[in-house]
Amino acid sequence: DVKVTQSSRYLVKRTGEKVFLECVQDMDHENMFWYRQDPGLGLRLIYFSYDVKMKEKGDIPEGYSVSREKKERFSLILESASTNQTSMYLCASCEGPNTEAFFGQGTRLTVV
Amino acid sequence: GENVEQHPSTLSVQEGDSAVIKCTYSDSASNYFPWYKQELGKGPQLIIDIRSNVGEKKDQRIAVTLNKTAKHFSLHITETQPEDSAVYFCAASNRNTGFQKLVFGTGTRLLVSP
Repeated sequence: DVKVTQSSRYLVKRTGEKVFLECVQDMDHENMFWYRQDPGLGLRLIYFSYDVKMKEKGDIPEGYSVSREKKERFSLILESASTNQTSMYLCASCEGPNTEAFFGQGTRLTVV
Repeated sequence: GENVEQHPSTLSVQEGDSAVIKCTYSDSASNYFPWYKQELGKGPQLIIDIRSNVGEKKDQRIAVTLNKTAKHFSLHITETQPEDSAVYFCAASNRNTGFQKLVFGTGTRLLVSP
C-alpha cells in the first residue's frame, strides 16, 4: 500500500518560531509537493521538487522554504511563523507528469 | 498561469440522485484533468482522471467529460450514496512543462442525504 506520511497531524506554534513540517514517501517518486489548503481557496501550491536537492517555487512561496536532501523526504520550513500561516498543509508525491498524486493526511498548523 | 474555477461550492442531493460538478480552466495547453475526493480528516485521493485526447471516461458510478474547445470539464456521479459525501476537487496540469504542476479548483462540498 503506497504511503505518504506527514510527521504531525496537529501543531501549535508561537508567532516568530521556526517550524518544520516533514513528509516521507515510500514509493520512490521523483516529484514531491507542498500544498496549503484553506476554506474557499482550495489547494494552493507552495513549493515542489522534481529531484533531490532541486526545488521550484509554486504559487504562494512567500514565507516558506523547503529542503529535499533525500529522495523520500521533503520538508517545509516556516522561517518565522506568522498567524496568517495558520492552515492545513498537505504533502503529495507522484511519479511524473500527468500521473496520480498521492497525498498525506495533512498537518493542521495553528500559529498563535 | 493556469486558473481553474469550480462550481458549485456546495451541493446537496438525495440518495439515489445524480450530482454534477463543473470546472473551467484557462490554459489551453493543459492536457491532464484529475478529480480528487477528500473525506473528513484525510488527504485528497484520486477518483478519476481524463487526458485531453479523450472526451469522456467512466468508472462505475462516476464519469468525467471534457470539452477542450470550451475549456471545461465535469464530474458526474450517478446513484449517489451517503458515502459519496465529501469535498471534491478538480485540477488541471500541463505535462509539457516537463514536470507535474497541478492547479486545483476551490472544491465542492457534496452532501448526500439518506
